[in-house]
Amino acid sequence: KAGVTQTPRYLIKTRGQQVTLSCSPISGHRSVSWYQQTPGQGLQFLFEYFSETQRNKGNFPGRFSGRQFSNSRSEMNVSTLELGDSALYLCASSTGLAGGVVDTQYFGPGTRLTVL
Amino acid sequence: TQLLEQSPQFLSIQEGENLTVYCNSSSVFSSLQWYRQEPGEGPVLLVTVVTGGEVKKLKRLTFQFGDARKDSSLHITAAQPGDTGLYLCAGARGSNYKLTFGKGTLLTVNP
Repeated sequence: KAGVTQTPRYLIKTRGQQVTLSCSPISGHRSVSWYQQTPGQGLQFLFEYFSETQRNKGNFPGRFSGRQFSNSRSEMNVSTLELGDSALYLCASSTGLAGGVVDTQYFGPGTRLTVL
Repeated sequence: TQLLEQSPQFLSIQEGENLTVYCNSSSVFSSLQWYRQEPGEGPVLLVTVVTGGEVKKLKRLTFQFGDARKDSSLHITAAQPGDTGLYLCAGARGSNYKLTFGKGTLLTVNP
């Protein structure tokens, strides 16, 4: 079974631009979560989508948004980029159906975004 | 405010040594997970602990969840160079889909 894939792997943008990152979950998984990883703050939760609906949300400004398609693929968009948005953006997929059992999240390799 | 504090932040040891890394919080978690992340890759789940006082062993790795479900430790016996990586703990409070991560312990095992 193929793992979680993220595209692109590397991206360079300038301040003020906007960017869209893509995540394809493991086949059959309906939940996709997004995280931002920086050396200073570590991994921070952005949001989680399940069946095309945002189910959980972290404490990031409205410039960060996402969506999920009917095939469970997800995109994350950051508008009006700032220097501090430079980070590794990770997505993770899971079945989304915990049912009282802890649901394993499988992470992709990430997209390295550099804002100049 | 970082809800999960990991220590030490960096650890460099020789092959064959034992080590313990810690993950502490003032908050209670419904479950706690340990991940290892290698350069250029995403985190890979090592173990999930859900019961206070639980101990899980995975070959040379031993994981413990505190009785009060606020802290956890990871002990590695006879470390090998292949154990090198960033070890992350992550806690879930209620929803398992909104993990809170510690900043990680960067372990280097020298041959």
